[in-house]
Amino acid sequence: GQQLNQSPQSMFIQEGEDVSMNCTSSSIFNTWLWYKQDPGEGPVLLIALYKAGELTSNGRLTAQFGITRKDSFLNISASIPSDVGIYFCAGRQNTETGTASKLTFGTGTRLQVTL
Amino acid sequence: DAMVIQNPRYQVTQFGKPVTLSCSQTLNHNVMYWYQQKSSQAPKLLFHYYDKDFNNEADTPDNFQSRRPNTSFCFLDIRSPGLGDAAMYLCATSRRTATNEKLFFGSGTQLSVL
Repeated sequence: GQQLNQSPQSMFIQEGEDVSMNCTSSSIFNTWLWYKQDPGEGPVLLIALYKAGELTSNGRLTAQFGITRKDSFLNISASIPSDVGIYFCAGRQNTETGTASKLTFGTGTRLQVTL
Repeated sequence: DAMVIQNPRYQVTQFGKPVTLSCSQTLNHNVMYWYQQKSSQAPKLLFHYYDKDFNNEADTPDNFQSRRPNTSFCFLDIRSPGLGDAAMYLCATSRRTATNEKLFFGSGTQLSVL
């Protein structure tokens, strides 16, 4: 089956630094979603991407849908302590009308921010 | 306000004692999913309902069952929990469309098996 590889697996950064993480696949996806998960909570949707090459921002977060459709990138600018958490990418391939489309999740990037 | 609500937030059960987790949604979404997430891992899809149609993942154990009595509610039943079933269980919903479909998660139920 498809696998989504996220890198880095974890990162320690200082408050104020910019962060970049990416997600790559051996298969083509038609939708990319980025989620953040805090400890003991469910994933919260950050950004959704629907077109190859699309660049979308949500506050300090910017994500891009790779041209090849096999990758996506998430950038966080000027990180703050509340950015701590696990970031998951998730990809979806088109499915037939009348069926639910299922997400393939990445392996996650654990972000820790130090003061 | 929470749109996908899971109860309880924490559930402790005994080995082999049936347990039911619940999920409700105010989004009127036609698809509801149940995921299992173990520590430091990505969520793993167990099954989903597309309207009333139940769709099981091939590798979901028979020990896991689900019910969806109406659009708003969905239940996860674990018939005989084992120690390996201790995990966070996440409910998610979406509205199935051809484009721009998004998945929204609840806060999860953390299940402990003693």
